Amino acid sequence: EAGVAQSPRYKIIEKRQSVAFWCNPISGHATLYWYQQILGQGPKLLIQFQNNGVVDDSQLPKDRFSAERLKGVDSTLKIQPAKLEDSAVYLCASSLVGRNAGELFFGEGSRLTVL
Amino acid sequence: AQKITQTQPGMFVQEKEAVTLDCTYDTSDQSYGLFWYKQPSSGEMIFLIYQGSYDEQNATEGRYSLNFQKARKSANLVISASQLGDSAMYFCAMREDNYGQNFVFGPGTRLSVLP
Repeated sequence: EAGVAQSPRYKIIEKRQSVAFWCNPISGHATLYWYQQILGQGPKLLIQFQNNGVVDDSQLPKDRFSAERLKGVDSTLKIQPAKLEDSAVYLCASSLVGRNAGELFFGEGSRLTVL
Repeated sequence: AQKITQTQPGMFVQEKEAVTLDCTYDTSDQSYGLFWYKQPSSGEMIFLIYQGSYDEQNATEGRYSLNFQKARKSANLVISASQLGDSAMYFCAMREDNYGQNFVFGPGTRLSVLP
């Protein structure tokens, strides 16, 4: 079974530029999460989708970050314009739905460096 | 308010000894799941063990066990017979089933296994 796919793995941009990350979850997983992980810290939830609807985006800096999940499958996360403090690993994860949903399955992450 | 607290930023353990990593959580949901993930320096998130809020027995997976004390809201991870390859960041996480399957992580504990 294919895992969660993310791209690109690495991206270096200058501040005020834009960047987009792509995620394809495990087939059949209705719930998709984007996390930001700053070096040495725990993952911080940015946005959670169930199918193609947003469940929680309370911690998404909406003035610069946007995310969509068209057709309830793959998802893109965009940052425009980027700031220095956006340097982090962006993790995509997916899971089944419900009380017995089990664990989150993570992609390898997209490492962003903003200069 | 912090939903997941891990009070040990770093821990050292001698190879072959057991170690306990602490985790306390805060929720008003009656149905939730508790998870531990390992993140080695390579960055991948590895699922270790799961405990459901209604499970009466403590979860075990090989050398990993979860000491679940529901009244104290604690879910400590016990690693028996530590190995050098156990050196990594360890994250405690919680899924709240009645809050949109919200999935939050703690700040992590860095474990170093000494030869």
